[in-house]
This record gives sequence, C-alpha cells and structure tokens, in this order.
Amino acid sequence: AQTVTQSQPEMSVQEAETVTLSCTYDTSESDYYLFWYKQPPSRQMILVIRQEAYKQQNATENRFSVNFQKAAKSFSLKISDSQLGDAAMYFCAYRSENTGTASKLTFGTGTRLQVTL
Amino acid sequence: GAVVSQHPSRVICKSGTSVKIECRSLDFQATTMFWYRQFPKQSLMLMATSNEGSKATYEQGVEKDKFLINHASLTLSTLTVTSAHPEDSSFYICSARGGYNSPLHFGNGTRLTVT
Repeated sequence: AQTVTQSQPEMSVQEAETVTLSCTYDTSESDYYLFWYKQPPSRQMILVIRQEAYKQQNATENRFSVNFQKAAKSFSLKISDSQLGDAAMYFCAYRSENTGTASKLTFGTGTRLQVTL
Repeated sequence: GAVVSQHPSRVICKSGTSVKIECRSLDFQATTMFWYRQFPKQSLMLMATSNEGSKATYEQGVEKDKFLINHASLTLSTLTVTSAHPEDSSFYICSARGGYNSPLHFGNGTRLTVT
C-alpha cells in the first residue's frame, strides 16, 4: 500500500516571503499522480497543484510550484510571495494509475501553514 | 467549474438514530464518488468508493452495515450512518469525478455530532 508522509505538522511564513512544505511518499508503482490540496477553515478541499509522475518537468501554478524528485520519492510545495489567504491546512496526496484502485487518493497527515504580517 | 453539493453541512442527532448525508454533482455525471472521514486536526481517511449502479467498496476497518452507501444515480450518492454513536461524530467529506482521469471535486463536508 502507498503511504504519504508530511513531516511538518506546522509551518509559519511571513507575508510576501517564500515557504516550502515537504512531502515524501512510498510506492512500488511507476505511474501515478501527486497532488497538493489546501483546506482553509471552511473545510473545503481545494486543489492547488498536480504532478504526473511520468513528467520530469515540475508543475507550476502561479505562485505555487513543486519540486518533484521521483527517485527520492519527494514532492515538496513551494509557495512564493505568501499571502494571508494562503493560511490553511495543506495535504499532499497520491493517486495510483492502477485502474484496480479506482483512482482513490491517499492523503498525508497535513501541514498547517500560518501566514504572519 | 464543476460543483459538488453536500447536504447537510451540519447535523446533530441522538445516539441510536440514523443520519443520511447527500452528495450531489451539480453539473457533471459522477461515475465514481468517494466518502472520507476527517477527525479534528487529522487527515482525510477514505471510507468507501461508490460507483453508480453497483455496490460500494469499503476500506478495511469500515463497517459496511453501519455506513450504508447508495449511489443510485449519476448525480447522487448518499451515506447513511446507522445507529449512530458519539464515536461516529466526525467531519464527513464526499468527492466525485466523471471519467477515470477526470479531476476530483470535493463537497463542503458535513459535521456530524452524535449526542
């Protein structure tokens, strides 16, 4: 079974600064997807960014980018120019490409990000 | 964008009663829906996967007779917590997708409190 580990329960960043959230995962599969989701106090799950494992190029979405190291099974999220609205719980997630798993997501334990003035 | 509506957002029930939570895809046909449970300050734990017109697949450790899932149409899945107990109090979140490689869309969640 796949596991997703987020070793930072809490992180803090000053507004306008850059912060990196860590995520590692364990899998024996070669084809999969990785995601970062944001869960603000409203509890709504919001997709931040996704990465296909077969792509070497790191995904970017505006201020959000990832550092995907497939061999190291590492998938960190970098948030640049942090804003107060970025404060939330961030979950790293794994999705197998194995059709037998119905593409279900396995989530990490989450990192709570605080953004200070 | 695609919207998944989950209802109710909050529910309080007495121990021993049953509660039904609905998850609707408003502008797409959801062939697969997932039900998650989230305890305070913890991650989302998958409870079950439901495909339209077939029986749900439950994760290990989840009681299928306690958490009844029905996915009777391409836009609606329901989770019924039967004979609820205080330990069932939690935040329940559904998610839905269209085709296999379609994006996953989440509902806003339901906070269940069993007294």
